Amino acid sequence: GALVYQYPRRTICKSGTSMRMECQAVGFQATSVAWYRQSPQKTFELIALSTVNSAIKYEQNFTQEKFPISHPNLSFSSMTVLNAYLEDRGLYLCGARDWGGQDTQYFGPGTRLLVL
Amino acid sequence: GDQVEQSPSALSLHEGTGSALRCNFTTTMRAVQWFRKNSRGSLINLFYLASGTKENGRLKSAFDSKERYSTLHIRDAQLEDSGTYFCAAEVGGKLIFGQGTKLSIKP
Repeated sequence: GALVYQYPRRTICKSGTSMRMECQAVGFQATSVAWYRQSPQKTFELIALSTVNSAIKYEQNFTQEKFPISHPNLSFSSMTVLNAYLEDRGLYLCGARDWGGQDTQYFGPGTRLLVL
Repeated sequence: GDQVEQSPSALSLHEGTGSALRCNFTTTMRAVQWFRKNSRGSLINLFYLASGTKENGRLKSAFDSKERYSTLHIRDAQLEDSGTYFCAAEVGGKLIFGQGTKLSIKP
């Protein structure tokens, strides 16, 4: 079956430092990978969508300078939260799909980021 | 503004009963997905619909892109159904999530 793993599951970083999180797709080709954030008391908010052979598209309020994303192959993606501050805390989800197969987007369990 | 409005925000059911969750969309969506967030925080895929209805056990979902809504029906609710349910509508290749419905099942 299709699975998405995320690492780490939980992390704590000091304010002003950076934190990298990874996403691994297993059992299907992650043609596109979307990164979401769920801030406390809020729903999931799209950060950016990365599709193989296309430029990464960032949503309003999110920038490449703050959340650089790498999507080097059809099974892996990473995102870094640069210069993290309190407002960056939350659950970061990676959602991957295979445009050539079913359209269902599969989600990893998320990386929970705490900023001190 | 918000493109996905999910209701209710919270729902309490007795075991064996049922109810429905609903998501209204402010624009035409290509498809909708329904998820349940389990106790470990993982999003569990329930349904993906581009149109029509799908049923899986005690769950049934419908999506009407023209009328801009989707529903998730739960029947014969069990304790393990507790959790937060999200709808997410697809537009332009991305998912827009509803606010979630916190479902509590009482014995």
